[in-house]
Order: sequence, then C-alpha cells, then structure tokens
Amino acid sequence: AQSVTQLDSHVSVSEGTPVLLRCNYSSSYSPSLFWYVQHPNKGLQLLLKYTSAATLVKGINGFEAEFKKSETSFHLTKPSAHMSDAAEYFCVVSDPGRGNKLVFGAGTILRVKS
Amino acid sequence: DTGVSQNPRHKITKRGQNVTFRCDPISEHNRLYWYRQTLGQGPEFLTYFQNEAQLEKSRLLSDRFSAERPKGSFSTLEIQRTEQGDSAMYLCASSLAGYTGELFFGEGSRLTVL
Repeated sequence: AQSVTQLDSHVSVSEGTPVLLRCNYSSSYSPSLFWYVQHPNKGLQLLLKYTSAATLVKGINGFEAEFKKSETSFHLTKPSAHMSDAAEYFCVVSDPGRGNKLVFGAGTILRVKS
Repeated sequence: DTGVSQNPRHKITKRGQNVTFRCDPISEHNRLYWYRQTLGQGPEFLTYFQNEAQLEKSRLLSDRFSAERPKGSFSTLEIQRTEQGDSAMYLCASSLAGYTGELFFGEGSRLTVL
C-alpha cells in the first residue's frame, strides 16, 4: 500500500530564511507524489507534483521538491520564507491502481516569524 | 469556472440526527472523491465515483454513511444517526479520469455533533 510520512508536525522559520519540510514515501511501484497546501478556512491547493519526469519539481510561490528514489524522500523547499507561506502542508502519494485516490500524510504546520 | 462547491459549509447537529452534505464538482470532471479530515490529521479517503458509479468505499465508511452521485454531476454524502466521533471536516474533490494529476478540492463542510 502507498503511504507517506511527514517527519515534522510543526516547523518554525523566520521570514526570509529557507524552508524545509520533510517527507518520506512508501510505494510498491513508481509513485506520483504531490505537495498540497491548506491555508486557514481555505480549500486544499496543489503546490507541485512529481509524475516520473524531472526529479526536481518546481511549483507555485517559489516552492520546489526533489524526488530521491534512493532515499524514498520528497522534501519540499523554498529559499526564502514569506509571511504568506504560513499554512499546513501535506505530502501526498497517488494510488493509480485505485482510481488515483490520494493518500495524505499527517501534515506539517509551517509558522513564519517576522 | 466556479471550482468545487460544497454546502453547507458548517453544520451543527445533535447526536442521533441525520445530516446531508452536497458537493458540486467542476463541470467537466467525471471523478468525484469524498475525504474526511479531523483535527491534526491529514484527509482520509472515504469513497469515490466515476460518473455515477461508486467504485470504491473505504472501511471508514460505516453503514451509517451513504454517498450518491445520481446523474454523474453533483454528489451527496449522508450520515445517519450521527455520533460525536463523526465531527470532522468533510472534503469533496473532483478530477478527470485517467489523468494522474491533481484533485481539485472544495473548501469543505464542517460537521459538529453535540
């Protein structure tokens, strides 16, 4: 079965410093991986996706993630945090054998200090 | 494009009552998913439809839960004899079948069972 583990439940950074949100995945075959963001009282929004093309994936708002098969990781990074990045981030794996349903991690809450 | 719409956004009910949530997906999307999200957890898959056919139901979906998508457009999720443990955010998402890509989420319907 597909699964993801987000290694930090909370991350706190100062505005202008780098962001690193960690995710490890487990998959029996080549996975499709995603990062979604959820701002308070807003719907989940796709940040970026990996679907077996380039291993370094660029997303919206300056975020990117690197797929590392040897480490079964898909960490999310951003060079410089902005106050508007404060939200909850979910690492997600798709199960193509079951209607492409998404399996979510538990989430990482990102706090950005001014 | 109005996105995925969910109603009502908030529902407070007493234990034992029935509640129904509605989801209107993006019009050209033939797949529709229901997820449940509790505090501090990532969304958990409940069920999904392709057109009007319900193709998978999670074991989380007890026999008090029923979902329909009668004409392959909007969907309803009904919870009978609500229990306090049903309190959660119920999320709807839609997508195109055969596309290993993003799901588009609504803003959710929050259920509080007193």
